Amino acid sequence: DVKVTQSSRYLVKRTGEKVFLECVQDMDHENMFWYRQDPGLGLRLIYFSYDVKMKEKGDIPEGYSVSREKKERFSLILESASTNQTSMYLCASSPAGAQADTQYFGPGTRLTVL
Amino acid sequence: QQQVKQSPQSLIVQKGGISIINCAYENTAFDYFPWYQQFPGKGPALLIAIRPDVSEKKEGRFTISFNKSAKQFSLHIMDSQPGDSATYFCAASRRNSGNTPLVFGKGTRLSVIA
Repeated sequence: DVKVTQSSRYLVKRTGEKVFLECVQDMDHENMFWYRQDPGLGLRLIYFSYDVKMKEKGDIPEGYSVSREKKERFSLILESASTNQTSMYLCASSPAGAQADTQYFGPGTRLTVL
Repeated sequence: QQQVKQSPQSLIVQKGGISIINCAYENTAFDYFPWYQQFPGKGPALLIAIRPDVSEKKEGRFTISFNKSAKQFSLHIMDSQPGDSATYFCAASRRNSGNTPLVFGKGTRLSVIA
């Protein structure tokens, strides 16, 4: 079974802190994604990556950056956390090619910024 | 610009009834339409998917109906059960255009009551 793990289930940070959210997948998938999920707004894509050291902006990249130094790991960075970044963050991965559309999600990290 | 519009936002169905969730898309280049199911505390997981060369796909109690001319597709859950209570997301993508991410609807929270 594909397993996508996220470093924390719950996280509480202060405004202005630098926050790192880590995601690791164990299926050698080429593609990785970061979403945030908010009530009534669904899943919004922040950044995605199709290869090591490669990244592309999603729909809401402002205030975020990402890092992919190894194929299995994709990190989301909040350079200076703000209260409006309080949300559920979901990481996903998918293989390349014809199966690329099947995304496998991690359990999520609920981030609260005070 | 919301490329995939999903309705209703929430739905309450009696046990044994039919749950229907609708989605409409704008981009005629979309050619893959999956549905994801998310239980509380979990990440979304692929439930069922359809390509536009068929008008219907059935897997157990779950059926996707697809209307290409109307640019609409829907999920029907027959004989709904309390265990089906979850949030459902429709999505769309272009499978043959390289690594184009899924575009998700905003989600429908389904509650099946006994």
